[in-house]
Amino acid sequence: DIQMTQSPASLSASLGETVTIQCRASEDIYSGLAWYQQKPGKSPQLLIYGASSLQDGVPSRFSGSGSGTQYSLKISSMQTEDEGVYFCQQGLKYPLTFGSGTKLEIK
Amino acid sequence: QVTLKESGPGILQPSQTLSLTCSFSGFSLSTSGICVSWIRQPSGKGLEWLATICWEDSKDCNPSLKNRLTISKDTSNNQAFLKITSVDTADTAIYYCARSGDYYDGTYYPYWGQGVMVTVSS
Repeated sequence: DIQMTQSPASLSASLGETVTIQCRASEDIYSGLAWYQQKPGKSPQLLIYGASSLQDGVPSRFSGSGSGTQYSLKISSMQTEDEGVYFCQQGLKYPLTFGSGTKLEIK
Repeated sequence: QVTLKESGPGILQPSQTLSLTCSFSGFSLSTSGICVSWIRQPSGKGLEWLATICWEDSKDCNPSLKNRLTISKDTSNNQAFLKITSVDTADTAIYYCARSGDYYDGTYYPYWGQGVMVTVSS
């Protein structure tokens, strides 16, 4: 199985701050990576797919980058509605696997 | 508009079989390229992919559950099903069904149900 390691486990950011979350795969996943946001009591929402493509309807302050085994999600200007837990997911091969999540809070 | 909704027993006892139903609208599981998956999340924890079934009846299951999983579909009634045998407390979680999107470079989930809570307790 491909293991997905996310960091940090939690962070807090001020309004307007730039936030970066990292995800490392245990093997090359050829940009087959997605990022999701999950708010309390809600289902995950797809933000980024294919490592860097923005899902329809997602604000442009979210961006993804990376290749090989190293990927990152950037929020260019933290907003209050960006609080939540963020997960990465490799979509290359079964079993599909997720990172353990990063909890993002407003400072 | 794509919608999915899970239903299940709520509570069951250890060693019983968990049966879940995903009822969906806005797409057909007989359409080429369409797949529906089950994903679960223990309270306050991460996401675990369980199984996927596709339009041509191909199936993939997470080997970590050691043959306890059965996924199936009823195309005419727009439903997908998941059975987990011999449940124990570690199977307590929110269970989601999700539909993958039409992406050429991987399997990702733009469509999710609201989730159904399942508790295994004696």
